[in-house]
Amino acid sequence: QKEVEQNSGPLSVPEGAIASLNCTYSDRGSQSFFWYRQYSGKSPELIMSIYSNGDKEDGRFTAQLNKASQYVSLLIRDSQPSDSATYLCAVLNAGGTSYGKLTFGQGTILTVHP
Amino acid sequence: DARVTQTPRDKVTEMGQEVTMRCQPILGHNTVFWYRQTMMQGLELLAYFRNRAPLDDSGMPKDRFSAEMPDATLATLKIQPSEPRDSAVYFCASGFGGLGNTIYFGEGSWLTVV
Repeated sequence: QKEVEQNSGPLSVPEGAIASLNCTYSDRGSQSFFWYRQYSGKSPELIMSIYSNGDKEDGRFTAQLNKASQYVSLLIRDSQPSDSATYLCAVLNAGGTSYGKLTFGQGTILTVHP
Repeated sequence: DARVTQTPRDKVTEMGQEVTMRCQPILGHNTVFWYRQTMMQGLELLAYFRNRAPLDDSGMPKDRFSAEMPDATLATLKIQPSEPRDSAVYFCASGFGGLGNTIYFGEGSWLTVV
């Protein structure tokens, strides 16, 4: 089992729709969770971080965390063609010998079509 | 504008040659990561350091890869001898560490081994 799992997609949504991206992780000791966006040929850039159960909103982005289910999601409202990219889920291990280790999922390719 | 600097940006080399990639983390960051990205494997953690000490290099093929931080402003990743399967993008990232550890990526070193 991979430490961080995402559906690779591609996920295709029409412009203006809500895009929903999901991620599960295996280490129950993980405490910090991040979503990165990566455009083709570019490096990943941070778009959201979340540390507590529940929702966190930032503009059109909402991150959701459920530690009991070991599940993280990202919702993108009013999707725009410029949101088309690969979205990477990242999990920070906080305990033991893996303290500070940041592990990424495979990434989900999102395409927003006009 | 603080950023992680990586060299070289692009490298084409012949199989069997030594390759050295360099990274200058953001000033003050005490955690440095080396990742490798391919289409098949996604973003894999090769090694990471805190305060220049290696914490985990289990993701790195030990027989040919080595990672070091000779000082706080320089991290190196060396491959000797290189093989075609090492062709990938190698990213360096740095951060302050801790549970809220936001890491910032360099632009990557695009390696092709022929």
